[in-house]
Amino acid sequence: QQQVKQSPQSLIVQKGGISIINCAYENTAFDYFPWYQQFPGKGPALLIAIRPDVSEKKEGRFTISFNKSAKQFSLHIMDSQPGDSATYFCAARDNYGQNFVFGPGTRLSVLP
Amino acid sequence: DAGVIQSPRHEVTEMGQEVTLRCKPISGHDYLFWYRQTMMRGLELLIYFNNNVPIDDSGMPEDRFSAKMPNASFSTLKIQPSEPRDSAVYFCASSFLLSGSPGYTFGSGTRLTVV
Repeated sequence: QQQVKQSPQSLIVQKGGISIINCAYENTAFDYFPWYQQFPGKGPALLIAIRPDVSEKKEGRFTISFNKSAKQFSLHIMDSQPGDSATYFCAARDNYGQNFVFGPGTRLSVLP
Repeated sequence: DAGVIQSPRHEVTEMGQEVTLRCKPISGHDYLFWYRQTMMRGLELLIYFNNNVPIDDSGMPEDRFSAKMPNASFSTLKIQPSEPRDSAVYFCASSFLLSGSPGYTFGSGTRLTVV
């Protein structure tokens, strides 16, 4: 119930393409869904986040789509760039606590 | 703000030795988290504190691991004795509950290698 599932495990996209990473959860108490970006040798950094009362949030080239009924959310990276090559983690927080549950991560490679 | 500061960045130690990892959270943050990251298990929450008090340590692997937060600006994670299977990257993160965007700020991590 506390798990967040994430797919794909790895993703290769051509420069300029769209990268899509999907996550799913079971716990209906989750109330905040961030995405983190991690470069090698660095800690994860908050990229974008959404609450379940909206279906989409966009920040620049990054968009979260949220489907509350399906308990799924996804990250779309438009016009993907080689500098976007990193590992992406989805996460979820339940409204009873402050800790997050993280997905297993997706390694994105954007080819020049 | 300098962000979450962890030290050391890299630590290589021999099996059986004591290892102490250090973390300075962002000033004003009231939550502090210790995570371990490995290829096999991803990001695992070890323990977290609220206002310097341990709230949940159910992720601490075994009694060899201990964590303290003596004040709002400092926390340690200690492994004694260390074993090769403890080799991982250990992250500290902090957050502020009442923030409009309650995500974590992670440090750069400590890469621990136990030989």
